Amino acid sequence: DTGVSQNPRHKITKRGQNVTFRCDPISEHNRLYWYRQTLGQGPEFLTYFQNEAQLEKSRLLSDRFSAERPKGSFSTLEIQRTEQGDSAMYLCASTLGAPYGYTFGSGTRLTVV
Amino acid sequence: KQEVTQIPAALSVPEGENLVLNCSFTDSAIYNLQWFRQDPGKGLTSLLLIQSSQREQTSGRLNASLDKSSGRSTLYIAASQPGDSATYLCAVPSGTYKYIFGTGTRLKVLA
Repeated sequence: DTGVSQNPRHKITKRGQNVTFRCDPISEHNRLYWYRQTLGQGPEFLTYFQNEAQLEKSRLLSDRFSAERPKGSFSTLEIQRTEQGDSAMYLCASTLGAPYGYTFGSGTRLTVV
Repeated sequence: KQEVTQIPAALSVPEGENLVLNCSFTDSAIYNLQWFRQDPGKGLTSLLLIQSSQREQTSGRLNASLDKSSGRSTLYIAASQPGDSATYLCAVPSGTYKYIFGTGTRLKVLA
């Protein structure tokens, strides 16, 4: 197992386009998280899955954002009609549960031009 | 509502110094606390995870302490090296399953 994998590493898109990011967690981890990080800030929670169920969505996640985790394996985060304010690092983390802490992926850097 | 503060926001030290990074949190009802390192443009690497029953965790030149009652954790880095230059983030649980992060301490170790 090579840890949490995120693709792509970088994405540049024009304003108004749709983008999709993928996260492959550590295989035995049933919990998966998406965070967003802007320059100079700590990561901010976006959403959380336990297996295939999306159990919480932050108010940061507007209607343009949707996340899925089919079959409780990999997850995708889609942003529709991107805006310049969506430019950020999108981070995925997974864990077996509360006592074990998070393992993060390398992130996807989104730039909206 | 859990809030996390990290002091200082930035730190520049000569190589070889011992240093302390601080993390404070408002809700002491936590089950653990995690310290991460982040290099520019990269993801987060876990450094130390301290359970609420522990007071300290050590990994090489790193030592993290946790004082739940005062809402504080410190990360001690011994004999700092230029390769330690990075942003250090602490994260504490908010509720039962998600972590809240501080804004980090940006460390630069000068050769």
